[in-house]
Amino acid sequence: AQSVTQLDSQVPVFEEAPVELRCNYSSSVSVYLFWYVQYPNQGLQLLLKYLSGSTLVKGINGFEAEFNKSQTSFHLRKPSVHISDTAEYFCAVSGAGSYQLTFGKGTKLSVIP
Amino acid sequence: DAGVIQSPRHEVTEMGQEVTLRCKPISGHNSLFWYRQTMMRGLELLIYFNNNVPIDDSGMPEDRFSAKMPNASFSTLKIQPSEPRDSAVYFCASRTSGGKYEQYFGPGTRLTVT
Repeated sequence: AQSVTQLDSQVPVFEEAPVELRCNYSSSVSVYLFWYVQYPNQGLQLLLKYLSGSTLVKGINGFEAEFNKSQTSFHLRKPSVHISDTAEYFCAVSGAGSYQLTFGKGTKLSVIP
Repeated sequence: DAGVIQSPRHEVTEMGQEVTLRCKPISGHNSLFWYRQTMMRGLELLIYFNNNVPIDDSGMPEDRFSAKMPNASFSTLKIQPSEPRDSAVYFCASRTSGGKYEQYFGPGTRLTVT
């Protein structure tokens, strides 16, 4: 079984500042990792995913994440945030080849003008 | 593509009433998932269908909940009778099984049971 820990429930950050949203996972098997974003009153939208290959993955809206197997982490970063990035961000893990996605509790990113 | 379509977007009902939530997955996707999202418990998987067959319903909270997928383009989640603790946002998601592991989510149905 897999589990995901998102260490921060809320992250306030000023506009144009960098941000890092932290995600740690545990699993006894190889994993696939995902970040989703949820804007108010909307469904979840895929930001990026790691399946294999390069540990640095780039996603939509200028976000990127780095897979660190030794630290079992998959932190999400953006060098300069915009007001429109205000949303809730979910990290998710799937055992390789599994249908099941296990989600973290989410991190609410608030961008302050 | 229209994406995953869910209806209704909002549902308010009284305790004891039957509620039916509907989902149309993305065309060509053969896996479908129903999730429930609450503040207390986050996102929970309720049931997973593959090729219209329920594979894992271990997340269905109790017998009041049932789900069907009569064909590849339609699924329902029914709650009968509904209770206030069923109030939540219910999401449907779909994906292909051929190498792409990400799930695509619908906009959700916000259910309020009074």
